[in-house]
Amino acid sequence: GAVVSQHPSRVICKSGTSVKIECRSLDFQATTMFWYRQFPKQSLMLMATSNEGSKATYEQGVEKDKFLINHASLTLSTLTVTSAHPEDSSFYICSARDDSGNNQPQHFGDGTRLSIL
Amino acid sequence: RKEVEQDPGPFNVPEGATVAFNCTYSNSASQSFFWYRQDCRKEPKLLMSVYSSGNEDGRFTAQLNRASQYISLLIRDSKLSDSATYLCVVNQRGSYIPTFGRGTSLIVHP
Repeated sequence: GAVVSQHPSRVICKSGTSVKIECRSLDFQATTMFWYRQFPKQSLMLMATSNEGSKATYEQGVEKDKFLINHASLTLSTLTVTSAHPEDSSFYICSARDDSGNNQPQHFGDGTRLSIL
Repeated sequence: RKEVEQDPGPFNVPEGATVAFNCTYSNSASQSFFWYRQDCRKEPKLLMSVYSSGNEDGRFTAQLNRASQYISLLIRDSKLSDSATYLCVVNQRGSYIPTFGRGTSLIVHP
């Protein structure tokens, strides 16, 4: 089955650090990948749609200069949380959908638990 | 009105029980449907796609009712390990962004 790899799974760092998270589709091509954030006991919240070869599309209220997205190839998207602060601590999850058909399901990475001290 | 709605629960059932969840969607142009399962502090995992004719995978049965615009998930012979949040996801024609329900929490107790 389709596999999405997300790395790292856990990050603990000081306030002001920038953190880069990678999302790879391992056995399929994904023109579009999605980045979500989830706070404890809350629903997944879509942050942005990552588009290969073009700019990401950000949801309302998500700062594009804070959350930099790069989708350099059909199998890799990265999210960089710049100058992270404690309020950015959350569970970040990426997902990707196989380009082969409109009715394909999304597959999620394992998520990255980010803790900013 | 939300595009995809689910009863948040929790549904609290004993082991062995049969439990069913519904998920309603508002956009009649919706074209593909899925159920995901999310365990606490984990990523969502695809449980099953939902086909027009209905489909079954072991103890799980998914159905689609286009006329009433809802999908359902039936779990038979519940196990303790079925405890999780079940997310309904809808792909709408003309949109590449999947729409999530907020999830239904299931607790299976001994």
